[in-house]
Amino acid sequence: DTGVSQDPRHKITKRGQNVTFRCDPISEHNRLYWYRQTLGQGPEFLTYFQNEAQLEKSRLLSDRFSAERPKGSFSTLEIQRTEQGDSAMYLCASSPGGERQRKQFFGPGTRLTVL
Amino acid sequence: ELKVEQNPLFLSMQEGKNYTIYCNYSTTSDRLYWYRQDPGKSLESLFVLLSNGAVKQEGRLMASLDTKARLSTLHITAAVHDLSATYFCAVVTSGTYKYIFGTGTRLKVLA
Repeated sequence: DTGVSQDPRHKITKRGQNVTFRCDPISEHNRLYWYRQTLGQGPEFLTYFQNEAQLEKSRLLSDRFSAERPKGSFSTLEIQRTEQGDSAMYLCASSPGGERQRKQFFGPGTRLTVL
Repeated sequence: ELKVEQNPLFLSMQEGKNYTIYCNYSTTSDRLYWYRQDPGKSLESLFVLLSNGAVKQEGRLMASLDTKARLSTLHITAAVHDLSATYFCAVVTSGTYKYIFGTGTRLKVLA
């Protein structure tokens, strides 16, 4: 069990640029979640995948955000035309399927700074 | 829309003391989670509570759930400095996969 990994750990970009983040969940976990967290706040749900299917997406996610999970393994989160308000920590979490009592395992996060 | 509120937002306590953090939520839910986050780090899952009256304990932390009152508590017994962190509760609305997190309680245990 190597844990959830995210890449890159830090990203600095200029406003208007596109960025893509990657999340590698724990290998046997079929559930994958993306969150956004700003300083002093709790994580904000963005989207949920079960295997390769995106089953839930926050209404907060604008058209500039898109996520994929091809083949039900790693996932990517892309932000197009970044804005300064997108600056945040982007967290990925995974959990096993089946019973509801399974805990989520979080990755270290990708810190995005939009200049 | 589901709202989750925690109190207190900040808590400074002496080592050896007991205290309780409260988590209130606004609509029906069938799952409640507690997490810990150390400064600059990611989140660590602590407890999963699934049913009314559920109680989970690990070390000096004990979590309980009252679904009728829409209330969960995280009780800290004989606090130690290592428990200093921010604690979040999160609730999942029945029939969805959307986790709604509370505002967090920043706990500081003074030696």
